[in-house]
Amino acid sequence: KAGVTQTPRYLIKTRGQQVTLSCSPISGHRSVSWYQQTPGQGLQFLFEYFSETQRNKGNFPGRFSGRQFSNSRSEMNVSTLELGDSALYLCASSSHRDSEQEAFFGQGTRLTVV
Amino acid sequence: SQQGEEDPQALSIQEGENATMNCSYKTSINNLQWYRQNSGRGLVHLILIRSNEREKHSGRLRVTLDTSKKSSSLLITASRAADTASYFCATAKLGVTGGGNKLTFGTGTQLKVEL
Repeated sequence: KAGVTQTPRYLIKTRGQQVTLSCSPISGHRSVSWYQQTPGQGLQFLFEYFSETQRNKGNFPGRFSGRQFSNSRSEMNVSTLELGDSALYLCASSSHRDSEQEAFFGQGTRLTVV
Repeated sequence: SQQGEEDPQALSIQEGENATMNCSYKTSINNLQWYRQNSGRGLVHLILIRSNEREKHSGRLRVTLDTSKKSSSLLITASRAADTASYFCATAKLGVTGGGNKLTFGTGTQLKVEL
């Protein structure tokens, strides 16, 4: 079974631009969550989707958005990039709807904003 | 904001020794999970312990959970150089049945196992 796939792996963007990151979950997993990891703030929850519906959202500004498609693939978008958005963005998929089982993480997308 | 605090922040041991990491959290939980991360890559799930469990084993890993103290510990026995990584605890909050998957991570412990 293929794992969680995140694309691209690395990205360099300029302040003010926007970026879209993609996540393909494990086949059959309907829950996809996104996390931001920075040295200063650690791992922080961004949002979670289940069957195309956003069920949870973390404490991030509206510049951060996401969506999930009918095949469970998910994208997250960050508009008007700021230097502080430089981070490792991790996607996780789960077979269960309620954190009852482990989450499977992708390798992440490392975003650098210059 | 991070719910969990981990202790120690960094740990350096010799191969063959045991490594113990501690995690404290703030709210009532459904379960607590431990993850490993190698060099800023993806997280790998190690073990999940439910709130009604006190101890769980998996290979060289032993996890304890004390819900009265809101704390957990991860013990890695007979450490190997390949265990060098960052270790994170993550909690799933109680009361989110039907409310989705959301993990709150601790600050992490950086473990270095030297030959």
